[in-house]
Parts: sequence; structure tokens; C-alpha cells
Amino acid sequence: AQSVAQPEDQVNVAEGNPLTVKCTYSVSGNPYLFWYVQYPNRGLQFLLKYITGDNLVKGSYGFEAEFNKSQTSFHLKKPSALVSDSALYFCAVRDPTDSWGKLQFGAGTQVVVTP
Amino acid sequence: GAVVSQHPSRVICKSGTSVKIECRSLDFQATTMFWYRQFPKQSLMLMATSNEGSKATYEQGVEKDKFLINHASLTLSTLTVTSAHPEDSSFYICVGGGANNSPLHFGNGTRLTVT
Repeated sequence: AQSVAQPEDQVNVAEGNPLTVKCTYSVSGNPYLFWYVQYPNRGLQFLLKYITGDNLVKGSYGFEAEFNKSQTSFHLKKPSALVSDSALYFCAVRDPTDSWGKLQFGAGTQVVVTP
Repeated sequence: GAVVSQHPSRVICKSGTSVKIECRSLDFQATTMFWYRQFPKQSLMLMATSNEGSKATYEQGVEKDKFLINHASLTLSTLTVTSAHPEDSSFYICVGGGANNSPLHFGNGTRLTVT
């Protein structure tokens, strides 16, 4: 069975400071990992994904994430946060051995960036 | 590019009535459609997985007779909430995918409010 955990319900950061949103996963094989962002009353927007290859993945809006197999983590980072980055962030895992490839989402982390 | 068009974006209905949500895949064939539900400030929970031309597979605790899923073609999947009650008020999101772990495409979600 696959699962993903986001240990922080909320992350508060001042504008201009680095932002990190944590995610750890559990999957039987090599995982497919994703980050999505959700603004109020909106659907999910794709930020980035790790399938294979370079452990550092760069995505949309200046975000990046590092796949760490030994720590089973896939933390989302941004060097300098903006107020407009305030949103709900979801980590998700997809087990490539699952025939249907369904996504399992973490609980979500609310990011609040203050001016 | 490949898109899932989900309608309606918002719907308000009275208790006891039924509501149909449509998801159409554009520029790709959605062999599989995942239906998720999201309660306020919570994560996305998978309700069911449907494959074109076959019956949907429901997650534990989801009533199949209440949440009717039809996936009659590769471009259209529908979710009907029957005899809706206020506790069914939620954000419903469809996610379409092709075969063999191909990329997933998210609908923009439907905000259902049952009064």
C-alpha cells in the first residue's frame, strides 16, 4: 500500500525568506511523486513531479523539490517566498506498479506568507 | 493540450434531489477516471475509480448506490449524487488518465452545496 505524509498542518514564513514544505512517502517500489497547489475554491494546479533521473526537480513558479530515497522524502522548496504563494499544498504519490495508477494525497499543508 | 473539462463548477441543490457532475476529456482519451471528494480544509479522498465501459470500483465506505458513476466513453465520465443531503456538500474533483500510468489531468472541481 502507498501512503504519503505531510507532518505540518501549516507553515508560516515571511516574504523573501526560504520556504520548505515537508513530505515523506511510503511505497513498495520506486515512487512517482508530485506536488500540487490549491488556491481557495479552486482546483489543484500541478507544480512538479519526480519520476526518475535527477533527484532535484524544478517546477512552476520557482518551486523545486528534492527526492531523497534514503529518507523517503520529497520536500518542496522555494528560495524566496512571495505573499502570493500563500495557499494549500499537497504532496501525492503514485505507485507505478498499481495497474490503475491512482494518486494518494497527503493531508495538505497550509502555507501562509506574511508581508 | 490535454484537459479535463468539469461541469458545473458550482451547484446548489435542495436536499433529496440528485445532481450530476460531468467530466469530459479533451485532446486525450481518459481510459480511467478517478473521482475525489474534498471537505473544507482537508485532503482529497478517493471515492472511486472508473474504467471506460466497466463498473466503477468504489473505495471502502463510499456508497455506490448514492454516488453513481458512469464512464460510457473514453471522453465522458459522470458522477451523480443521488438523494443529496447536506452532509454531501463538498468539493468533487475528477482526474482523468490514459493507460499504463500515463499523465493525469485534473478537472477544476465542482462545489456542491446541499441546502
